[in-house]
Amino acid sequence: EAGVAQSPRYKIIEKRQSVAFWCNPISGHATLYWYQQILGQGPKLLIQFQNNGVVDDSQLPKDRFSAERLKGVDSTLKIQPAKLEDSAVYLCASSTMVQYNEQFFGPGTRLTVL
Amino acid sequence: QQQVKQSPQSLIVQKGGISIINCAYENTAFDYFPWYQQFPGKGPALLIAIRPDVSEKKEGRFTISFNKSAKQFSLHIMDSQPGDSATYFCAAASGGGADGLTFGKGTHLIIQP
Repeated sequence: EAGVAQSPRYKIIEKRQSVAFWCNPISGHATLYWYQQILGQGPKLLIQFQNNGVVDDSQLPKDRFSAERLKGVDSTLKIQPAKLEDSAVYLCASSTMVQYNEQFFGPGTRLTVL
Repeated sequence: QQQVKQSPQSLIVQKGGISIINCAYENTAFDYFPWYQQFPGKGPALLIAIRPDVSEKKEGRFTISFNKSAKQFSLHIMDSQPGDSATYFCAAASGGGADGLTFGKGTHLIIQP
């Protein structure tokens, strides 16, 4: 079974530029999550989708971050404009809608904002 | 604010010893408590998880102990091996685990040969 795919793996940009990350969840997983992991910290949930609808985006900085999941499969997360404090690893995870089922994480995209 | 507090921040254990990592939570709505293992450059991977209706769960060398009244849970790694050297995160979620995870800050574990 293929895992969660993310691209790119690494991205370096200047502050105030924009950037987008892509995630393809495990086939059949209805729920998709984006997390931000700052160096030395645990992942923090940014947004949760169920199929193509947003379940929770309470911790998403909506003035600069946006995310979409068209057709309920893959998803993109965008930052515009980026700030220095956005430097982090952006992790995508997916799971089924079955209770107590595992969230599977992708390898992440490491973003460096200069 | 929903929080999960994890300790210690770092831990060094001799090969064959027991590694113990502790977590405490505040939100009584949490009903799913997983532990994740993360190696450098990789995403977190589920190690073991517990629901609040049981006090202990064991899978191989890994055991979760859960104290609902104290709102605490811990991970025990028996017979620790150098390959266990990684960062470990406790986490919690509500909604039967379907909600997004709230993670602790992580424990950097080093197993010395």
